[in-house]
Amino acid sequence: DAGVIQSPRHEVTEMGQEVTLRCKPISGHNSLFWYRQTMMRGLELLIYFNNNVPIDDSGMPEDRFSAKMPNASFSTLKIQPSEPRDSAVYFCASSDTLSRGRPNTEAFFGQGTRLTVV
Amino acid sequence: GQSLEQPSEVTAVEGAIVQINCTYQTSGFYGLSWYQQHDGGAPTFLSYNALDGLEETGRFSSFLSRSDSYGYLLLQELQMKDSASYFCAVRVDRLVYNQGGKLIFGQGTELSVKP
Repeated sequence: DAGVIQSPRHEVTEMGQEVTLRCKPISGHNSLFWYRQTMMRGLELLIYFNNNVPIDDSGMPEDRFSAKMPNASFSTLKIQPSEPRDSAVYFCASSDTLSRGRPNTEAFFGQGTRLTVV
Repeated sequence: GQSLEQPSEVTAVEGAIVQINCTYQTSGFYGLSWYQQHDGGAPTFLSYNALDGLEETGRFSSFLSRSDSYGYLLLQELQMKDSASYFCAVRVDRLVYNQGGKLIFGQGTELSVKP
């Protein structure tokens, strides 16, 4: 398997523009997480899905952020409108809780999207 | 609220042993994990403890004491390639069949290994 795939790897956009980050989880994994990483705040959990259903979005900073998972192989994180303080590395991770009757405790991370809002 | 505390940085020499501590205060506790992240890379899983005691995986070991809300990662026979950031993470929701559970990360410890 190619692992968790995120696109784009880098995004530079102007303040006020809409930004869409994409994630393809590992095939067969049923949980998907979106994290944001900055020097000041570390790795923050934004939202996570189980079986394509959002379970906890309490980490989403504000209404400008939204996330969807229309099917088991694709998720998006959208920021509209973007602001300079949204600049960060955004990671998507997936895990498999259906593995051989014992929940898999490991989360597999993608390479991240480095977002710069100017 | 949720808080995980770990030292911000640690320095050690090649061949040495280093211990990175993590204390946590979380709404729930269903296991402590450790992840490694090299500069510019993705976090990668190292170990997981759900019960008290020591788990050993090669040069790395991880320890948990639930009564003390404390754990540590022990790295032995340090190598230059071990220079990276190390994160402890707590599952605050129960991990059951069909549910992933919420995973909260500490701020990370930057380990520098010197020759």
